[in-house]
Amino acid sequence: QKEVEQDPGPLSVPEGAIVSLNCTYSNSAFQYFMWYRQYSRKGPELLMYTYSSGNKEDGRFTAQVDKSSKYISLFIRDSQPSDSATYLCAMSDPAGNTPLVFGKGTRLSVIA
Amino acid sequence: ETGVTQTPRHLVMGMTNKKSLKCEQHLGHNAMYWYKQSAKKPLELMFVYSLEERVENNSVPSRFSPECPNSSHLFLHLHTLQPEDSALYLCASSQEAGQSPNSPLHFGNGTRLTVT
Repeated sequence: QKEVEQDPGPLSVPEGAIVSLNCTYSNSAFQYFMWYRQYSRKGPELLMYTYSSGNKEDGRFTAQVDKSSKYISLFIRDSQPSDSATYLCAMSDPAGNTPLVFGKGTRLSVIA
Repeated sequence: ETGVTQTPRHLVMGMTNKKSLKCEQHLGHNAMYWYKQSAKKPLELMFVYSLEERVENNSVPSRFSPECPNSSHLFLHLHTLQPEDSALYLCASSQEAGQSPNSPLHFGNGTRLTVT
């Protein structure tokens, strides 16, 4: 079983839709959970992060962590064509001081 | 100029060539990284430097040789590569080597490498 599983898509939605992007993981020691966004021909950039469990909201974006299910989600409300990008989840175990473990990324297209 | 700058943006090389990738960060960070990004695969960490010392080498073949002359510059020297080494090579930096949300990675836009 891979440490982090993420469906690579592609995912295509109409403008204004609610998008749900997800990752599952196997290492219960992960405490930091991040989402990076990567536009075409660009490097990834940190979009949001959460520590341990719970929700975090930033504008149209909400990050959720369910540690009991080892499942994290990123929701995008009122999606826009400018949200079209690849979204990568990443997580780490701060106690082990291990490098970030990334998912494969989900490619999202928001169609106007 | 700000952020993390990588050159060249594209590189095509034969299997017998020797080339180098260059990365420069203007963020005052102490840690720098090389990642490999291949289609349908997760980002693979290759090398980590903290304060110019290599702190991690993720079982990378010796045909990849990193160099970090100072905290702002990072190179990846390439020689006798294989076609399967074709990928996007990303450089990143962070304030510290811990990669926590308090010290997130800042990526460059990568070098698209094609080995023929």
